[in-house]
Amino acid sequence: DTGVSQDPRHKITKRGQNVTFRCDPISEHNRLYWYRQTLGQGPEFLTYFQNEAQLEKSRLLSDRFSAERPKGSFSTLEIQRTEQGDSAMYLCASSPGDATYFGPGTRLTVT
Amino acid sequence: QKEVEQNSGPLSVPEGAIASLNCTYSDRGSQSFFWYRQYSGKSPELIMSIYSNGDKEDGRFTAQLNKASQYVSLLIRDSQPSDSATYLCAVFDTGGGNKLTFGTGTQLKVEL
Repeated sequence: DTGVSQDPRHKITKRGQNVTFRCDPISEHNRLYWYRQTLGQGPEFLTYFQNEAQLEKSRLLSDRFSAERPKGSFSTLEIQRTEQGDSAMYLCASSPGDATYFGPGTRLTVT
Repeated sequence: QKEVEQNSGPLSVPEGAIASLNCTYSDRGSQSFFWYRQYSGKSPELIMSIYSNGDKEDGRFTAQLNKASQYVSLLIRDSQPSDSATYLCAVFDTGGGNKLTFGTGTQLKVEL
């Protein structure tokens, strides 16, 4: 049983650089989510896709963040001009309905 | 803003005891509730879901839901050191766009 996978697992980047993360959801799940989690907090919603359509984007998400899900399969999350405040665990999740299953996460460190 | 509240802990229980974790939520229209376990440095793992008032049991875990009081709880029987983790309560928000809203989590420590 293949779960949600994410790549890379860790990313260290310098402030101002662009980064891109990939997520491969569970194959039969049509819903895909991106969340962000910082130390001591619960995951915070970033954006949601149903198939290839991006249906919701958090108001907290700045214009530096963009996500895609071409052909309703894998998804990418790009952060442009990274800032130190972007340092966090970026979690991808997929769902067939409401039960949501998380991938292992990508830990981003911006120096 | 829809909120999910949890006591951050840590909650310390001796091995073999019952651990009781609590969560309250603000949206009275919420219908789906979840508990996730998160080990340090790892991602959240879904352990329980509950949709109806009452109790739902799965092995050593029991989820309890009281919609009138807007209260969800998780009981862990016969607690083991391997249960030491942060437990996240999550509420599925269909009105605002099909996403989970999480509490900040309760850290559980099971002591030998």
